[in-house]
Amino acid sequence: DTGVSQNPRHKITKRGQNVTFRCDPISEHNRLYWYRQTLGQGPEFLTYFQNEAQLEKSRLLSDRFSAERPKGSFSTLEIQRTEQGDSAMYLCASSPQGASQETQYFGPGTRLLVL
Amino acid sequence: AQTVTQSQPEMSVQEAETVTLSCTYDTSESDYYLFWYKQPPSRQMILVIRQEAYKQQNATENRFSVNFQKAAKSFSLKISDSQLGDAAMYFCAYQDSWGKFQFGAGTQVVVTP
Repeated sequence: DTGVSQNPRHKITKRGQNVTFRCDPISEHNRLYWYRQTLGQGPEFLTYFQNEAQLEKSRLLSDRFSAERPKGSFSTLEIQRTEQGDSAMYLCASSPQGASQETQYFGPGTRLLVL
Repeated sequence: AQTVTQSQPEMSVQEAETVTLSCTYDTSESDYYLFWYKQPPSRQMILVIRQEAYKQQNATENRFSVNFQKAAKSFSLKISDSQLGDAAMYFCAYQDSWGKFQFGAGTQVVVTP
C-alpha cells in the first residue's frame, strides 16, 4: 500500500493556460475526493467519485473545472483558462469500499500558482 | 449546510504538557462522523482520531483523546504529553451521511522545548 499519490506536486502556469492534475488513490479504494485548500484555510470540497461515477460537484467547481475517473482508478482534474484565483493546493483523498462514512486518506497535494 | 468552527488560530504548548483544541459544529443530521486531521509542514493530511456520532464513548488513540459533547455540538481534541513532532496544523472535520467532509479553518499547534 503506497498511499495516495498526486502529480505534479507543484505547477506554475500563466493566466489563461490549461492545467491537468492526476490523482492515484490507494488500490481498491472506490471513493475518490477532490478538495481545494487556500493558504490559512481548511480544505474545501470540490467533487467526488464512486468508482467511475461522479456523484456530486460543489458550486465552487465552475465550468472551467472538469474531473474524470474513467476506469474507476486514477482521476484527473483539469482547469481550463486558469485565473489567479485558482492558485491553491489541490488535494485528493480516497476511501475504501463499504459505508460512505469512512476515513479518507489524503495525498500530498498539487500546489498550483497562476501568474 | 453544516459549518465547523475552530476558534483558536494558534495554540502553544510545552513539551510533555497537555493542550486542548476546540471545535464546534452545526448540523441538523443525526448520522455523522467527526474527525481530527493533522497537517504537518509537508502538508500531507494525516488522520489523528475519529468519532462516530452514535457512540457516546469518547474516542482515544494513544496520547490523543476527544471530548465529544453531542448536545452541545462540541468536539475537542486533547493532546497529552506533547512532543515536538505534534507541531502541525490541526483540522476538525465533519463528515456527512454521503461521506463529504466539511473542515474547520484549523488550529496551528506550536510545541516548545
